[in-house]
Amino acid sequence: DTAVSQTPKYLVTQMGNDKSIKCEQNLGHDTMYWYKQDSKKFLKIMFSYNNKELIINETVPNRFSPKSPDKAHLNLHINSLELGDSAVYFCASSQVWGTGELFFGEGSRLTVL
Amino acid sequence: GESVGLHLPTLSVQEGDNSIINCAYSNSASDYFIWYKQESGKGPQFIIDIRSNMDKRQGQRVTVLLNKTVKHLSLQIAATQPGDSAVYFCAEESGSQGNLIFGKGTKLSVKP
Repeated sequence: DTAVSQTPKYLVTQMGNDKSIKCEQNLGHDTMYWYKQDSKKFLKIMFSYNNKELIINETVPNRFSPKSPDKAHLNLHINSLELGDSAVYFCASSQVWGTGELFFGEGSRLTVL
Repeated sequence: GESVGLHLPTLSVQEGDNSIINCAYSNSASDYFIWYKQESGKGPQFIIDIRSNMDKRQGQRVTVLLNKTVKHLSLQIAATQPGDSAVYFCAEESGSQGNLIFGKGTKLSVKP
């Protein structure tokens, strides 16, 4: 039973396309996150959602939009993909907001050509 | 801006030796620190945490030390095993932010 699962694991697409990455957690956690990891392994938070409300929205382009249909899901939609969007995107969850013990998914590697 | 950084980007140790991974932080308001391990092709995994009212915390084969005076955090791994090979991240959190900020990562390689 995977605690935090995200799909797809790999995504290759052309510049200008729109794509989505899905995330689901079965831990009953209140907060979910999206992190971006670049080629140098640097992890940076993009969004977090607590009870379907956006808490943190870092300075990411508005081409990125998180959507949470319910507490167990936080999907990431990306419009008009650019080369610089190529990265590994990690979904994570935590029991409560503000705790450092995050449970991460396996990551989704996005390659924009 | 303030950030979390690491002294050593790579560390190579012999199996059975102890490993020490260091981390410097600059946000004096940070009150919670965490170490994560990321194996190749996987997501980061929580290892151990420590709050600012402590200077040492031990887990199974791991110890985290916090020196608030010099804003330094370290992760010690005893009797390092091949399965410990991974990238290790320190992360800090300020209670007022609720936002976990990750350092750049140190790659630990264990030689058999």
